[in-house]
Amino acid sequence: DQQVKQNSPSLSVQEGRISILNCDYTNSMFDYFLWYKKYPAEGPTFLISISSIKDKNEDGRFTVFLNKSAKHLSLHIVPSQPGDSAVYFCAAGVTGGGNKLTFGTGTQLKVEL
Amino acid sequence: DAGVTQSPTHLIKTRGQQVTLRCSPKSGHDTVSWYQQALGQGPQFIFQYYEEEERQRGNFPDRFSGHQFPNYSSELNVNALLLGDSALYLCASSLPGQTTYEQYFGPGTRLTVT
Repeated sequence: DQQVKQNSPSLSVQEGRISILNCDYTNSMFDYFLWYKKYPAEGPTFLISISSIKDKNEDGRFTVFLNKSAKHLSLHIVPSQPGDSAVYFCAAGVTGGGNKLTFGTGTQLKVEL
Repeated sequence: DAGVTQSPTHLIKTRGQQVTLRCSPKSGHDTVSWYQQALGQGPQFIFQYYEEEERQRGNFPDRFSGHQFPNYSSELNVNALLLGDSALYLCASSLPGQTTYEQYFGPGTRLTVT
């Protein structure tokens, strides 16, 4: 039972344009969400998070949008840079449920020159 | 400030053997979680240690066990290895009191079972 889904295994974007990565979840108990970036041979690196009491959170070039009614979140990267090429994981957790995170299967982003 | 460290980097074992993986959390962190990442999948939660006790466990068999030491470092033990245990094992640490969302991951240990 995949509670967090990233339906696009890969995404290719031109440098300078917007990258939009999508994530859907089924468990209505999730109340916080995170995006991680992973380069080969490295562990996931935290990018940005959002609590379910918000619908948007920004940090520099990265913005996460949360649509609770649709159980959908997205990560926008503007402008995209070649160094953003990596696998992006969406993760979700439950406050008071310890730090257990449930991850999606990841989206490989390639930013082309 | 050292981040999360894991050892060894790579490991090759035979079916039926036992393996121990090690993790040192980021300085100041007291909670350690272990995840298994199979090829093409996202990390899956194995268990979490806080105050030297297992606090939460994912859907993994008892062959997977762990330990946390007084200095907050942790070990993951897997007994009776199966081919399906081949994966990247990630350790993550988080801040005291579990009040933040972020977990900081180590580079992982790549386990191959033949």
